[in-house]
Amino acid sequence: DTAVSQTPKYLVTQMGNDKSIKCEQNLGHDTMYWYKQDSKKFLKIMFSYNNKELIINETVPNRFSPKSPDKAHLNLHINSLELGDSAVYFCASSRFVGPGNTIYFGEGSWLTVV
Amino acid sequence: ELKVEQNPLFLSMQEGKNYTIYCNYSTTSDRLYWYRQDPGKSLESLFVLLSNGAVKQEGRLMASLDTKARLSTLHITAAVHDLSATYFCAVDYSPQGGSEKLVFGKGTKLTVNP
Repeated sequence: DTAVSQTPKYLVTQMGNDKSIKCEQNLGHDTMYWYKQDSKKFLKIMFSYNNKELIINETVPNRFSPKSPDKAHLNLHINSLELGDSAVYFCASSRFVGPGNTIYFGEGSWLTVV
Repeated sequence: ELKVEQNPLFLSMQEGKNYTIYCNYSTTSDRLYWYRQDPGKSLESLFVLLSNGAVKQEGRLMASLDTKARLSTLHITAAVHDLSATYFCAVDYSPQGGSEKLVFGKGTKLTVNP
């Protein structure tokens, strides 16, 4: 069983569309994250939720809206997609927020905006 | 704001040789992580270093942390082709008034040649 699973794995869409990426973890973790990896492989945190509560919201355009219906799920909805949104989006989870905390990453969702 | 710098960014080495990847960071932290990413794949946790002087070894890889120098190293011993991947260091950072988060370096793309 995949510990952190995201769907879809690949997504090609036109500019201006709205799309969602779903993420589920079966590790019983309290904390979930969205990271973005750009074309130069640079990884940056976007959001972090702990027990369904938003705790980190980096300087991300408000076209990006995370939603956590329960602590095992963290979905990412993106409105009015732009070319610059093309990237790999990784969902991740950890047991808690704090030191010594291994973060487990999903397989990534490859988003291409054309 | 924390900056994490890895060097080199690209490393091509022969099988059987030794080499070290360096990770410098700009702000006090005593928690550092190393991840491996294969092309088109997710990030795999390699090491979690939680204190000054921490050293961890797994197979041909050994990681160390010097919090006073704000430096971590990932040493590769007698490299083999299977180690070819991109290696990321990430520093756990709590900005003043903000929540804890991981800040990643840009990654070191390692190619081990026969």
